[in-house]
Amino acid sequence: AQKITQTQPGMFVQEKEAVTLDCTYDTSDPSYGLFWYKQPSSGEMIFLIYQGSYDQQNATEGRYSLNFQKARKSANLVISASQLGDSAMYFCAMREGLADSWGKLQFGAGTQVVVTP
Amino acid sequence: GAGVSQSPSNKVTEKGKDVELRCDPISGHTALYWYRQRLGQGLEFLIYFQGNSAPDKSGLPSDRFSAERTGESVSTLTIQRTQQEDSAVYLCASSSREGGPSDTQYFGPGTRLTVL
Repeated sequence: AQKITQTQPGMFVQEKEAVTLDCTYDTSDPSYGLFWYKQPSSGEMIFLIYQGSYDQQNATEGRYSLNFQKARKSANLVISASQLGDSAMYFCAMREGLADSWGKLQFGAGTQVVVTP
Repeated sequence: GAGVSQSPSNKVTEKGKDVELRCDPISGHTALYWYRQRLGQGLEFLIYFQGNSAPDKSGLPSDRFSAERTGESVSTLTIQRTQQEDSAVYLCASSSREGGPSDTQYFGPGTRLTVL
């Protein structure tokens, strides 16, 4: 079963606008972590932001913020004031706290973002 | 260097040949991970090393795939008798802590494998 769902295969956003990338997840473990990574055309995976299941506040890192709605099992990434350099594939990932899932990150299919001038 | 490094960056091989991919983790990171990314898709977990513990091999797709790690340093991923469906980018990541949900993984640039 798909653990991470990203329903938007691609999005266009104008420079300086904000964009929200959707991510829903599925787990029965009360302890888990949610991550967002950016993958530009160069291919490297760049860590953006982390949200823990017990965190009371939404995570923020510069222009990135995570809209964490635990009851809905969603962890949407918000990029404010988009820049041309934000054009990339964005992946949502989850790491469960279960001992036998300790190491692995489970990734969604990704959302391709294109920022236009 | 400061980040995770991988070599080679590109590898083209013929079907049936064996290949070895190398990963150098960030110095001091005890955990190392291998993932595979097929064209246009997300990442698939392959294997995870943590210190001296037995590796988690649950993601290896077949017995043609194996990986080793020497202590807390270099890892090699070996694919024997390569098939065309093995063509993908192989990404390595490392992390600094003893696992747990908040342990952030930092990725290398990947090795693009093409099997002809």
